[in-house]
Amino acid sequence: QKEVEQDPGPLSVPEGAIVSLNCTYSNSAFQYFMWYRQYSRKGPELLMYTYSSGNKEDGRFTAQVDKSSKYISLFIRDSQPSDSATYLCAMSGTTGNQFYFGTGTSLTVIP
Amino acid sequence: NAGVTQTPKFQVLKTGQSMTLQCAQDMNHEYMSWYRQDPGMGLRLIHYSVGAGITDQGEVPNGYNVSRSTTEDFPLRLLSAAPSQTSVYFCASSPFTADYGYTFGSGTRLTVV
Repeated sequence: QKEVEQDPGPLSVPEGAIVSLNCTYSNSAFQYFMWYRQYSRKGPELLMYTYSSGNKEDGRFTAQVDKSSKYISLFIRDSQPSDSATYLCAMSGTTGNQFYFGTGTSLTVIP
Repeated sequence: NAGVTQTPKFQVLKTGQSMTLQCAQDMNHEYMSWYRQDPGMGLRLIHYSVGAGITDQGEVPNGYNVSRSTTEDFPLRLLSAAPSQTSVYFCASSPFTADYGYTFGSGTRLTVV
């Protein structure tokens, strides 16, 4: 069983829609949770970072962590064509030295 | 600031050849790491370093060597290339530990024939 599971999509939504991206994990020791965005043929870039449980909001992006269900989500409000990319979740335990990544969800926002 | 610089961007190797993928960062980050990205597998950690002179293995270290003689550089060496090492390789750095969030390089696309 993989440490982190992520639906690869692809996901296609109209401009302005609310997008929900999700990951599940098996290791209850995970405490650091991140979301990265990766454009085609580029390196990932950090979008959101959450420690332990709870919600975090940054502009149009909201990250949620539910440790009891081992489930994390990224919501994108008022989605834009420029949001079209692959979104990767990543998580780590107490040391923070080794992150486990999901396989990524491909998102296309249609104008 | 250039951030994290990887060279080369593309490389084709024959089975059995060796090569070094270069990674340099100019942000004075203590933590550096190498990942490989394969379809359906996501990013997997190969090796990481928490400072000059200190390295450790990640999830998939076999067939790769690293060293960290300076804060800025973290080269990845393929000892004897195999087709299974065909992948996109990313170098990433972080100020201290990885939980500060990575800055990734733009990647090296390696094909082993």
